[in-house]
Amino acid sequence: DIQMTQSPSFLSASVGDRVTINCKASQNINKYLNWYQQKLGEAPKLLIYNTNNLQTGIPSRFSGSGSGTDYTLTISSLQPEDVATYFCLQHSSRYTFGAGTKLELK
Amino acid sequence: QVQLKESGPGLVKPSETLSLTCTVSGFSLTSYHVSWVRQPPGKGLEWMGVIWGDGSTAYNSALKSRLSISRDTSKSQVFLKMSSLKTEDTATYYCARDWTFAYWGQGTLVTVSS
Repeated sequence: DIQMTQSPSFLSASVGDRVTINCKASQNINKYLNWYQQKLGEAPKLLIYNTNNLQTGIPSRFSGSGSGTDYTLTISSLQPEDVATYFCLQHSSRYTFGAGTKLELK
Repeated sequence: QVQLKESGPGLVKPSETLSLTCTVSGFSLTSYHVSWVRQPPGKGLEWMGVIWGDGSTAYNSALKSRLSISRDTSKSQVFLKMSSLKTEDTATYYCARDWTFAYWGQGTLVTVSS
């Protein structure tokens, strides 16, 4: 099974900051990488699919990049409503979620 | 519109078998696959398994010996059965559609306790 290592586990940032979250796969996943946002008590919400494709309705301050085994989610200017936990998911071979990054405001 | 909804018992005893149903609408189970995902309280997401559009299944290696996923296409329902439950199986259980996981149910909390 493919393993996903997500970092950091916890992130504190200020409004307007640029935020990056990383996921590293145990093998090449050929850009089959999605990102999700989960707020307390809610189901996860798809932000980005296949590394860098923004889901409909998601603000353009969210972007994704990466290739091979290393992938990044970037929030260009953090907003208060972005406080949430973020997960990556590989769908190259079955499915594996990263452990999550809890993002809070400083 | 696309909808998924989980249902099942909120409380199950250790060593018993959990049975959950995911009822879908707005799409066909023969055209889209459906996964089960769980999340223990305060923890991350764990993919459990999938039933593909052709009815075949695949499971998380860690759960394979205890897990079974099936469906009834005429009722637009997907079923999860997991045996030999332990307290650490306490979690919110979700069903979600296809490789995007763009559509999720609202989740159902299952507590394993005597």
